[in-house]
Amino acid sequence: QKEVEQNSGPLSVPEGAIASLNCTYSDRGSQSFFWYRQYSGKSPELIMFIYSNGDKEDGRFTAQLNKASQYVSLLIRDSQPSDSATYLCAVSQAGTALIFGKGTTLSVSS
Amino acid sequence: ETGVTQTPRHLVMGMTNKKSLKCEQHLGHNAMYWYKQSAKKPLELMFVYNFKEQTENNSVPSRFSPECPNSSHLFLHLHTLQPEDSALYLCASSQENRGHYGYTFGSGTRLTVV
Repeated sequence: QKEVEQNSGPLSVPEGAIASLNCTYSDRGSQSFFWYRQYSGKSPELIMFIYSNGDKEDGRFTAQLNKASQYVSLLIRDSQPSDSATYLCAVSQAGTALIFGKGTTLSVSS
Repeated sequence: ETGVTQTPRHLVMGMTNKKSLKCEQHLGHNAMYWYKQSAKKPLELMFVYNFKEQTENNSVPSRFSPECPNSSHLFLHLHTLQPEDSALYLCASSQENRGHYGYTFGSGTRLTVV
């Protein structure tokens, strides 16, 4: 059974701090990795994707991938209260649909 | 209309009712998906359609019946549901069925079975 694991949280950080969200996956054949943000009562919204080992930066967000350790993370710099949401990690192998983790709830306090 | 549109937004139905959920995408994507989101659980993949052909059925009970008349429209027909089927049902679309570029989700239908 292919699995994606995330700590459900809540992860609480003060405004302006770095929030670090982690995800591990079981399928070594996974090739594409995604982070979605889901506000309460809303649908998931894609914020980052990464395919290669290393870091990928987009504004305040950095995705990090380590395929040897089967680990992907999302860093949010200068966290804002508007970043408070549930963050879903998703992975896929070529030819397969996305498999999602349960999500980590982030709370940023002002 | 842009993006992925789902109707209705909320649905309450009895266990003996028959209802349908509708999804429409205006993104020119070729693949469409139904996911179920329950509290404290990961999103569960239900069905995958690629170029209106079903390519995956993730062991979903027959009381859920999908229909994809074309690449832009997807339906989920519901009948004789159980209370445990109450959840948020999300439709998504992607450029191709490998999900390489991620999915775009609709706003979802909040289903309550009474």
